Amino acid sequence: NAGVTQTPKFQVLKTGQSMTLQCAQDMNHNSMYWYRQDPGMGLRLIYYSASEGTTDKGEVPNGYNVSRLNKREFSLRLESAAPSQTSVYFCASRVDGPTEAFFGQGTRLTVV
Amino acid sequence: SQQGEEDPQALSIQEGENATMNCSYKTSINNLQWYRQNSGRGLVHLILIRSNEREKHSGRLRVTLDTSKKSSSLLITASRAADTASYFCGGGSGGSNYKLTFGKGTLLTVNP
Repeated sequence: NAGVTQTPKFQVLKTGQSMTLQCAQDMNHNSMYWYRQDPGMGLRLIYYSASEGTTDKGEVPNGYNVSRLNKREFSLRLESAAPSQTSVYFCASRVDGPTEAFFGQGTRLTVV
Repeated sequence: SQQGEEDPQALSIQEGENATMNCSYKTSINNLQWYRQNSGRGLVHLILIRSNEREKHSGRLRVTLDTSKKSSSLLITASRAADTASYFCGGGSGGSNYKLTFGKGTLLTVNP
């Protein structure tokens, strides 16, 4: 049982480049989330998805797009990367109701 | 803005002592969750308390919730060096469309 898997684990981008961060869960969870973590800022919610085909903005959505094409996968896309998007990105998933979230191990992204 | 705000930002104690961390949140929640993060890793769920509960225990953890003050506390008793980590509170709102947001966390250091 892999849980929540994020790829890649590390990535260096040049300013202006685009890339997609992948997240997949094998727990049949409805809800999925993308967070970014910066020093001193804790975790900030970028986007979330309550079910397949639906997405909602979180606290810091600017500069990102997401896709929830099926129940397992929730991807985060940076269309034109900026140095301010240097961060550690975490994906999480959970079932409906008052339940815990399961987190992936993170993607460390550096934009130069 | 972020839902939870943990206090203190950093806490250093000796092994065997108790550690208390506090969390305040801004908007109504269905439940409040506490998570732990070891350096550079994903968050791991510790305990969840529902909005109609006042106190909950799990092993060496004790969580309280005061909805009138929009605050919660996490007590770790008889701390161990292995408890060294960052601790985050997360607030959930929105029914089935469950938006889970976190604060900036408390960095706990337990000295052997």
